[in-house]
Amino acid sequence: QVQLVQSGAELMKPGASVKVSCQASGYTFTNNVIHWVRQAPGQSLEWMGWVIASNGKTQYSRKFQGRVIISRDAPARTVYMELSSLRPDDTARYYCARGVGVSTFLWFDSWGQGTLVTVS
Amino acid sequence: DIVMTQSPESLAVSLGERATVNCKSSRSVFSYSNNNNYLAWYQQKPGQPPKLLIYWASTRESGVPDRFSGSGSGTDFTLTISSLQAEDVAVYYCQQYLSTPPWTFGQGTKVEIK
Repeated sequence: QVQLVQSGAELMKPGASVKVSCQASGYTFTNNVIHWVRQAPGQSLEWMGWVIASNGKTQYSRKFQGRVIISRDAPARTVYMELSSLRPDDTARYYCARGVGVSTFLWFDSWGQGTLVTVS
Repeated sequence: DIVMTQSPESLAVSLGERATVNCKSSRSVFSYSNNNNYLAWYQQKPGQPPKLLIYWASTRESGVPDRFSGSGSGTDFTLTISSLQAEDVAVYYCQQYLSTPPWTFGQGTKVEIK
């Protein structure tokens, strides 16, 4: 079955950078897009960006452009999300999610367990 | 960006009764190219990641119980739980995937047992 397993919780200082990983299994890694979505405490879901697993192409939300880098290591079946210049309001749980669709990117059909990033 | 607005923010329903969650988009998410509404519903239980329930506004994901159904078109959509079970206590989110980026979600509707 499809599984996305994320790295553990992080406690960061303001101004620092954090890098969260997401390892995929149970499907052909290069067939899908991986998205990153964050959820601040008690809040809704906010899309941050995606990476095409086959070629590494990325696209980011305007809100995070310049502060986020999403990358992938195809042989390791792992995707990374690095967020820099952290602020306290970046405190959130960060999720990776598998996107459905190849030429057109659609819904998200499988999610990682989430990684809590606390900035304080 | 398309803004998704859900109502109500929360609702309490008795076990076995119907629960209805509404979602309104700021622009139509219907595509005439394939006659589909680009809308999905997710369920998030406490301490868990979201889980896909429905896509194309009304197609249930494999393994989702048939008490969950989605309806609507254009800008107005509904998620219905026909007979609420204890395990359905969760926050439900709608999401549009027509006009991307960004993918946008509603603010969530919390469903509880009365």
